[in-house]
Amino acid sequence: AQSVAQPEDQVNVAEGNPLTVKCTYSVSGNPYLFWYVQYPNRGLQFLLKYITGDNLVKGSYGFEAEFNKSQTSFHLKKPSALVSDSALYFCAVRVFNQAGTALIFGKGTTLSVSS
Amino acid sequence: KAGVTQTPRYLIKTRGQQVTLSCSPISGHRSVSWYQQTPGQGLQFLFEYFSETQRNKGNFPGRFSGRQFSNSRSEMNVSTLELGDSALYLCASSLAVTGGDSDTQYFGPGTRLTVL
Repeated sequence: AQSVAQPEDQVNVAEGNPLTVKCTYSVSGNPYLFWYVQYPNRGLQFLLKYITGDNLVKGSYGFEAEFNKSQTSFHLKKPSALVSDSALYFCAVRVFNQAGTALIFGKGTTLSVSS
Repeated sequence: KAGVTQTPRYLIKTRGQQVTLSCSPISGHRSVSWYQQTPGQGLQFLFEYFSETQRNKGNFPGRFSGRQFSNSRSEMNVSTLELGDSALYLCASSLAVTGGDSDTQYFGPGTRLTVL
């Protein structure tokens, strides 16, 4: 079965420190991987995606993610965290079947950045 | 360019009623997908529509249905509401269904449905 795992329910980091939010995946074929962020009472905002090419993907708001095929991981990173980065982060993989596509999401990781 | 819009933003219904939620995709986007978000189950895929056709369906009962119109706007309907249907329902649009760089899904703010 195709799946996404976010092993940490919560990540705490001090402002100015680097942050990492972990994601591992299990899919058949080449993965299409995404990161989204959700602020309270809001929908999901797209941060970045990996389709093919460079393993280091740069996205919005200074975020980047590293695709590692051997470890089946797609960790989200930022060199210097901001208090405003505090939110719920979702990793997702796009799956395809004969009919169409869908996004499968991880359970989400709450990022808390303290000042 | 305007983002994905969803109406209404909040709904309160009672068990047994039915509800219709609406989604207007980003201009030019032809694919619309729906997701249910709950604290217990997280984000789960409901349906995917492209050119007025349902292309994919998640593992939800037949009480959940949807449709897409010729202008790509989409509606989803839930009949015979149950307490467990309380959730945030998210709509997402993308340019195309098939794989490729255009296939990022952009989400609306969601409709918060409360079933009493």
